[in-house]
Amino acid sequence: GAGVSQSPSNKVTEKGKDVELRCDPISGHTALYWYRQRLGQGLEFLIYFQGNSAPDKSGLPSDRFSAERTGESVSTLTIQRTQQEDSAVYLCASSPQGPNEKLFFGSGTQLSVL
Amino acid sequence: DAKTTQPPSMDCAEGRAANLPCNHSTISGNEYVYWYRQIHSQGPQYIIHGLKNNETNEMASLIITEDRKSSTLILPHATLRDTAVYYCIVKSSGSARQLTFGSGTQLTVLP
Repeated sequence: GAGVSQSPSNKVTEKGKDVELRCDPISGHTALYWYRQRLGQGLEFLIYFQGNSAPDKSGLPSDRFSAERTGESVSTLTIQRTQQEDSAVYLCASSPQGPNEKLFFGSGTQLSVL
Repeated sequence: DAKTTQPPSMDCAEGRAANLPCNHSTISGNEYVYWYRQIHSQGPQYIIHGLKNNETNEMASLIITEDRKSSTLILPHATLRDTAVYYCIVKSSGSARQLTFGSGTQLTVLP
């Protein structure tokens, strides 16, 4: 498909476990963003990748959160030792060139920590 | 980046124009106004953006006041599928900082 793809679409895990969320951006898009959205709330910025530049990690809420991106392709968001407050929809977006603000979003991963 | 103020919710009759207001009184000269919407259980979708001139595309029109302190997103003929949360965002194009999404306006299109 031509859109941003995220997997899994739903993830249920137990408190204390690690999870990995994947994002496949639109081909050719150099900028990639991760956001978190708790139930009934707005989007919360987590991290931004632009080409080979150092990522903007200013939104990561704790050192349990990390993300990687291989070149201008796939990105993985990892949450270690998950907590119940990590339950949210995790959204990935890409754009043709940073900091172009016309973002294309995926459908998100619904994470539930029991 | 300038902050924005939007009403938390609005209703609109199907087939009528939906006019969504946004105040951004502290906007500076190089800041653009962006609109996104988020339909339930989906990721946000870009709608339109502008600097000072009014803009129109296949989805909507954006009217920005002459002093740029407020703007209105217009959906000319609202349908039930336009029911969504609409986000007004102001920031500098060319800035490396990320977009900041606030609480937005929940638009409900009524049959």
